[in-house]
Amino acid sequence: GESVGLHLPTLSVQEGDNSIINCAYSNSASDYFIWYKQESGKGPQFIIDIRSNMDKRQGQRVTVLLNKTVKHLSLQIAATQPGDSAVYFCAERNDYKLSFGAGTTVTVRA
Amino acid sequence: DAGVTQSPTHLIKTRGQHVTLRCSPISGHKSVSWYQQVLGQGPQFIFQYYEKEERGRGNFPDRFSARQFPNYSSELNVNALLLGDSALYLCASSFEVADGYTFGSGTRLTVV
Repeated sequence: GESVGLHLPTLSVQEGDNSIINCAYSNSASDYFIWYKQESGKGPQFIIDIRSNMDKRQGQRVTVLLNKTVKHLSLQIAATQPGDSAVYFCAERNDYKLSFGAGTTVTVRA
Repeated sequence: DAGVTQSPTHLIKTRGQHVTLRCSPISGHKSVSWYQQVLGQGPQFIFQYYEKEERGRGNFPDRFSARQFPNYSSELNVNALLLGDSALYLCASSFEVADGYTFGSGTRLTVV
């Protein structure tokens, strides 16, 4: 079946370092991909998105890379801060619904 | 501007009971989707509504139903609650179906 998965369930990063969170997807028909950040007790918060006709998109301190050849998505966070500690989900959209992976828990060490 | 608002924020129900969860989308958003998030997992799609019509349904039993009102708010109903229905129920809205989604903070349902 179609699924979106993350390579690692946890990531520990030193404050100030860059973080890279990876995601593999399997549905080649997906046209839109989104990264969400979820803090404890809150709903997913939009970070950045990318459409399938692009391979890179940059935001404030974040960059998303899309490799359609190997069906891989990554989120890069520059100069990771304590406030970046959260669970990160990638999601792919196919038609009307989003499919989420299980998430990567990012912990920032002081 | 208010974001997506959901009510209640928490509730506890007994097995076999019925529950109604409510969602108010961002002003002007016409599409509302519902997701279930079990602890430790990513959200799972339940329903999408657009202009009061059901546009899609996920792999959930018929005990789950929803509707969208003329003001674009939405309700999710779950009948005959099971322990496994305990989860965070998320509502997301978008202006059009193809737009990005904004999620609410969810309703934490505990079935005992």
